Amino acid sequence: EVQLVESGGGLVQPGGSIRLSCAASGFIFSDYAMSWVRQAPGRGLEWVSGIRGSGSSTYYAGSVKGRFTISRDNSKDTVYLQMNSLRAEDTATYYCAKDRHLGVTGESDYWGQGTLVTVSS
Amino acid sequence: QSVVTQPPSASGTPGQRVTVSCSGSTSNIGSNSVHWYQQLPGPAPKLLIFSNNQRPSGVPDRFSGSKSGTSASLVISGLQFEDEADYYCATWDDSLSAPVFGGGTKLTVL
Repeated sequence: EVQLVESGGGLVQPGGSIRLSCAASGFIFSDYAMSWVRQAPGRGLEWVSGIRGSGSSTYYAGSVKGRFTISRDNSKDTVYLQMNSLRAEDTATYYCAKDRHLGVTGESDYWGQGTLVTVSS
Repeated sequence: QSVVTQPPSASGTPGQRVTVSCSGSTSNIGSNSVHWYQQLPGPAPKLLIFSNNQRPSGVPDRFSGSKSGTSASLVISGLQFEDEADYYCATWDDSLSAPVFGGGTKLTVL
């Protein structure tokens, strides 16, 4: 059974940093791209970042480019999202999602339960 | 403001057929596959349709997808109360080199 378990969310001050983790199980982790997708309270889904199965390519939404960094450790079946220079508008539930392909396509067949990041002073 | 647009709301009565549309451009829907997600109140999104018209195992055949040019549609036949949810289309955008989601359509079953 595929499982994705996010952790690391919480309250952080504007300008601060936080690192999210997503532990995966139930599939060959390195064979699939992974993405982070966020949802602000009462709003729609926004794709944030994605990483190829091998980790060789990373992709970012314009709204987070230069502030967020995605990485993965295929020996630990875990993907990370380092979030720096956080702003109030980054407040959202962050979902980890498994792609159906080795490359990032936005075609995500499994999702974690989400972790809430609140940026506030 | 997403580059892929959906109507904010749709509604129908049980048993009806409802269509949710998704409109884009040549750099996204026009040249890439479209996927649909269902988000029930509370839980994480669930993949409903991939590659324009393919259903993952376990998704009822009441749900179907299609694509034509720079638009795509999700059709729900035989609408049920349990179908009340938010529906999102998604695709790759060649100009952005990133996936994009539509703004979402809130489906109400009356």
